[in-house]
Amino acid sequence: DAMVIQNPRYQVTQFGKPVTLSCSQTLNHNVMYWYQQKSSQAPKLLFHYYDKDFNNEADTPDNFQSRRPNTSFCFLDIRSPGLGDAAMYLCATSRGGLAGLGEQFFGPGTRLTVL
Amino acid sequence: SQQGEEDPQALSIQEGENATMNCSYKTSINNLQWYRQNSGRGLVHLILIRSNEREKHSGRLRVTLDTSKKSSSLLITASRAADTASYFCAREYGNKLVFGAGTILRVKS
Repeated sequence: DAMVIQNPRYQVTQFGKPVTLSCSQTLNHNVMYWYQQKSSQAPKLLFHYYDKDFNNEADTPDNFQSRRPNTSFCFLDIRSPGLGDAAMYLCATSRGGLAGLGEQFFGPGTRLTVL
Repeated sequence: SQQGEEDPQALSIQEGENATMNCSYKTSINNLQWYRQNSGRGLVHLILIRSNEREKHSGRLRVTLDTSKKSSSLLITASRAADTASYFCAREYGNKLVFGAGTILRVKS
């Protein structure tokens, strides 16, 4: 089945120790997104790629970086995780295009714990 | 701000009853989408309603959109215990979605 896969599902890191979360998709979608979701809150968009075009949200901390080496993969790098970065990180894709965004397809998420 | 409000924050009903959730927004949108999230999982798309549509149905789901009032509602009819989840509306601006805080729905059997 076509899908969005996130690895790992659970990640534990130490304060200040860099961590990389990965996302892959078999949908061949143009757009990939990273969201941060804290407990009982709305998902908050960190950045998105439209093909290779990177779009950073104005309030995304510099501590967060992203890479999209090809259509299928996208990575979220947290350079120096702080306690406040503990959250669920959700990857999503959409077809994009002139007709509008269309539905987004979400992965199961990676739950990050910072010790 | 592109944020809006959703209400109620939480809703508890008996199985078989209908559940209505509301969403408002502040600035003009392209389209509006509704998503469901089961505890600790990713989001699942439910319905997309375009800015020129007023109502849309999908199974037991009915979504309305009133662009003059900048509001939308999601109605789940004949609810089931399996409908227990968080429901989010998402306003579509360009190539991104802005999610509301969501409504936590609990359906008691």
